[in-house]
Amino acid sequence: QITLKESGPTLVRPKETLALTCSFSGFSLSTIGVAVAWVRQSPGGALEWLGIVYWDNDKRYSPSLQSRLTFSKDTSKSQVVLSLTNVGPMDTATYYCAYTSGLFTEPLDHWGQGTLVTVSS
Amino acid sequence: DIQMTQSPSSLSASVGDRVIITCRASQSISGYLTWFQQKPGRAPKLLIYAASNLHSGVPSRFSGGGSGTDFTLTINSLQLDDFATYYCQQSYTAPYTFGGGTKVDVK
Repeated sequence: QITLKESGPTLVRPKETLALTCSFSGFSLSTIGVAVAWVRQSPGGALEWLGIVYWDNDKRYSPSLQSRLTFSKDTSKSQVVLSLTNVGPMDTATYYCAYTSGLFTEPLDHWGQGTLVTVSS
Repeated sequence: DIQMTQSPSSLSASVGDRVIITCRASQSISGYLTWFQQKPGRAPKLLIYAASNLHSGVPSRFSGGGSGTDFTLTINSLQLDDFATYYCQQSYTAPYTFGGGTKVDVK
């Protein structure tokens, strides 16, 4: 059974760095083809793709966030960490991590419950 | 970036109706199109991948079609459980962009 769960601060001050951890079970991020993606959703807004980290540590980032966004994976701990620097009010959102087995079109077929992060002083 | 445009942005329907949602890509994405369903306060759920393949456990009243730039999600005989927001996503070229969503509510 595949599960994912996001964890981290619920409140972050402007200009600080947000660090979120996606802890997962039921798969290994060293298995060929597997990947974990990050998606966020501002209150009342649409889904926004942030990026993805693959089994071989290949990463793709949203161009609009690339200068502030970093993913790191710890295969032994079954975790992926998202780091977003210099946050602002526009980064207030629910952040999700999601899994894909890499099958064909890489659909995200398992999602965490999401964690709401508010950026405010 | 590939832009994904969904229409309509919202619609009102009744139980038993047939609902069709469209998703258009700004350039060809072959069949690299996924549909998700999301309910308030919940994570998205995968419905259809590779444009027309039904994810395991998803009711057969859901179907997807299209290729290239134009895609559809059809819900035959809408059920109470189907009132939700639906999103398309392309996975052809990173960034793997989502559409703006289509909210299906009760008429």
